[in-house]
Amino acid sequence: DAGVTQSPTHLIKTRGQHVTLRCSPISGHKSVSWYQQVLGQGPQFIFQYYEKEERGRGNFPDRFSARQFPNYSSELNVNALLLGDSALYLCASSYGQGDGYTFGSGTRLTVV
Amino acid sequence: AQSVTQLGSHVSVSEGALVLLRCNYSSSVPPYLFWYVQYPNQGLQLLLKYTTGATLVKGINGFEAEFKKSETSFHLTKPSAHMSDAAEYFCAVSSRSGTYKYIFGTGTRLKVLA
Repeated sequence: DAGVTQSPTHLIKTRGQHVTLRCSPISGHKSVSWYQQVLGQGPQFIFQYYEKEERGRGNFPDRFSARQFPNYSSELNVNALLLGDSALYLCASSYGQGDGYTFGSGTRLTVV
Repeated sequence: AQSVTQLGSHVSVSEGALVLLRCNYSSSVPPYLFWYVQYPNQGLQLLLKYTTGATLVKGINGFEAEFKKSETSFHLTKPSAHMSDAAEYFCAVSSRSGTYKYIFGTGTRLKVLA
């Protein structure tokens, strides 16, 4: 079975630009979450979606948005990019709350 | 609010020696607990989890962890370190209800010496 797939794997953007990151969960998983991991730190929660509804949002500015599609795939959008948005963005999917998330390999975003 | 503390940002052990990575959590109710491993330039891989039942949890690659409610700890151990265990390890907690989000610790980088 395919794991959680994320695209693109690497991305370089200029300050002020917009970026869209994509995630396909494991088949059958209806919960998708996004995390930001800055170098040298643990991942920070950005969003959780379940059955296409936002179930939680972390302490991130409104420049960050996301959505989940009917096939449970998800997009993370970031507007007006700042240098500080440079990070590894991880998508994770799960069947249920106690099952443990399966993480993708991430998208490495560099803002210059 | 929940929080996770991982003592020791860097741990070095000799190959074949015991691995002990420490994790303490703060939560008003017993949470779900997880250990993940991250190899360079990769995502996180689930090592083991505690949700309910037996407090000694066995995971992949010979790792295990014990949930100690009285000490609010969930330390990760492995009897004999292997070179391939060198990686970053993260402890995480999650509420049993509400938003399904992880609170991660800051990570412990394990170095295995030949």
